Amino acid sequence: AQSVAQPEDQVNVAEGNPLTVKCTYSVSGNPYLFWYVQYPNRGLQFLLKYITGDNLVKGSYGFEAEFNKSQTSFHLKKPSALVSDSALYFCAVRDHNTNAGKSTFGDGTTLTVKP
Amino acid sequence: GAGVSQSPSNKVTEKGKDVELRCDPISGHTALYWYRQSLGQGLEFLIYFQGNSAPDKSGLPSDRFSAERTGGSVSTLTIQRTQQEDSAVYLCASSVRGDRVSNQPQHFGDGTRLSIL
Repeated sequence: AQSVAQPEDQVNVAEGNPLTVKCTYSVSGNPYLFWYVQYPNRGLQFLLKYITGDNLVKGSYGFEAEFNKSQTSFHLKKPSALVSDSALYFCAVRDHNTNAGKSTFGDGTTLTVKP
Repeated sequence: GAGVSQSPSNKVTEKGKDVELRCDPISGHTALYWYRQSLGQGLEFLIYFQGNSAPDKSGLPSDRFSAERTGGSVSTLTIQRTQQEDSAVYLCASSVRGDRVSNQPQHFGDGTRLSIL
């Protein structure tokens, strides 16, 4: 079985400050990990993914995420937040050893960046 | 380029009516997924098609829900005898491949906002 948890429903940061959106996962094999962003009245947009290799993954719009196998985490980060980053963020996991292509999504974290 | 297209974008119908929601995936994508999202909440998996394999229907909430994918491309999600709790946004996604070794992300449409009166 695979699962993912986003422990914070809401994250608030000031513009220009660093941001972190947390994600932890559980899989029986090796994980593929993804971050998506959703703006109001839109579908989810892919931000970045971890497959293998370097634990620090860089993605769209200046976002990055760090894979930590020992802590089973894949937190999303950005050094300097923008007001336009305010949106709903989803972490997703797929166990590529046992699962035929179906990802499990977290419940989402609402990020609010204040000017 | 063309992304995933869903229609209609909004649908309002009376309780008890049947509805059909359409999804046009990105050309060449063999995997297609349907999800339900209530009021900006998380995604509830409904059904997954991969190529010519039998679909994974494990997320369909009741036998009032069904989906088909014709010719490996367009998919239709049908809800029969709609109930008020069916009100939600229905999202469709596709990916290049959806088999076990795929590491490709999903590409989402903007959804159909379904309201049952």
